Amino acid sequence: GAVVSQHPSWVICKSGTSVKIECRSLDFQATTMFWYRQFPKQSLMLMATSNEGSKATYEQGVEKDKFLINHASLTLSTLTVTSAHPEDSSFYICSARDGESGLREQYFGPGTRLTVT
Amino acid sequence: GNSVTQMEGPVTLSEEAFLTINCTYTATGYPSLFWYVQYPGEGLQLLLKATKADDKGSNKGFEATYRKETTSFHLEKGSVQVSDSAVYFCAWGAQKLVFGQGTRLTINP
Repeated sequence: GAVVSQHPSWVICKSGTSVKIECRSLDFQATTMFWYRQFPKQSLMLMATSNEGSKATYEQGVEKDKFLINHASLTLSTLTVTSAHPEDSSFYICSARDGESGLREQYFGPGTRLTVT
Repeated sequence: GNSVTQMEGPVTLSEEAFLTINCTYTATGYPSLFWYVQYPGEGLQLLLKATKADDKGSNKGFEATYRKETTSFHLEKGSVQVSDSAVYFCAWGAQKLVFGQGTRLTINP
């Protein structure tokens, strides 16, 4: 149990275009989902926290108009990178917290590698 | 501020060697502590956790004890295997997780 999927697993897009990444909890309801960014050989940096049905809370320094997050259901959150630029190239990881069990651990997706050319 | 400091890598060991990866944290209150592992090409997986002082988390031969007095949560394994090669992340948190920078571990046969 507690499986989180991401789609796509990798994507290449041209500079100036937008790309959407999906995060799904497959066997539990995720009231809270988190989006992280991971640079090569570095740690995960939390970008934002999203709660189902409400606006996402962004970490300091993260542009909310550039990284649009939607958490429309208890099993799906999306991250849209708008007007992507090469510096947005990174590994994006989502995680989800099981809302019913009350457990504190987060379950992580496999990540999406974004390359902007 | 709140942070996690991990032993810098990369760490290279021979099979059956003893492993220690140091982790110290700075936090207010008494957060839960975690070790996550990231195998090549995969997402993070929870390896073990401890929710209060003196708790010992263990899994797959790995152990870590929540030391409040030294604000540490060092990861140990008595005899590593090639399959343990991965990146290990220490983290703490309650609502949100704060991660260390990760330690790349390579085990040679």
